[in-house]
Amino acid sequence: KQEVTQIPAALSVPEGENLVLNCSFTDSAIYNLQWFRQDPGKGLTSLLLIQSSQREQTSGRLNASLDKSSGRSTLYIAASQPGDSATYLCAVRGSGGYNKLIFGAGTRLAVHP
Amino acid sequence: DGGITQSPKYLFRKEGQNVTLSCEQNLNHDAMYWYRQDPGQGLRLIYYSQIVNDFQKGDIAEGYSVSREKKESFPLTVTSAQKNPTAFYLCASSAAGGTEAFFGQGTRLTVV
Repeated sequence: KQEVTQIPAALSVPEGENLVLNCSFTDSAIYNLQWFRQDPGKGLTSLLLIQSSQREQTSGRLNASLDKSSGRSTLYIAASQPGDSATYLCAVRGSGGYNKLIFGAGTRLAVHP
Repeated sequence: DGGITQSPKYLFRKEGQNVTLSCEQNLNHDAMYWYRQDPGQGLRLIYYSQIVNDFQKGDIAEGYSVSREKKESFPLTVTSAQKNPTAFYLCASSAAGGTEAFFGQGTRLTVV
């Protein structure tokens, strides 16, 4: 059974720091991996989608990498801003004919001025 | 304006009552999903549907029911058999083949 773990569970940093959020998964046979952002009381906003054949994806100050063989993904946030404060969730979609997303518990990020 | 619409935003349920959460999408996606989120926990899958008139149980389907009569709609009923229904419910959709998933803004259900 696929399990997804995110470390750290919470992170508090001053503005301007470069950040690394980690996601690990137990079954490397994934179809893709997706990073989301969730603000308090809101739905999820898709940040980046990495297909299993890709190594990384970039969007603005965000860069996500995928090492499928070791079961790890990293979300890198450059020059963090207070507006980046949110919970970041990673989810993997399995291969082999099923189509559901399995989520980690998230990393709660606070960026203070 | 394409997207996923969940309604209502807040819902209150009395003991022994069934309630239905609405999820509508205009993205022309084949697959739709219902997740439950509890404080401090990740999202857990309740039900998912890959095509009209077909759906599968997720990890925590007991006490819930769904229907998929139209491609755009995937309503979730929380029945009286669900003993701890207070949670944040999220609906999602994606195109066939497991592409990028998109989420609605959620419904917060509270038992009173």
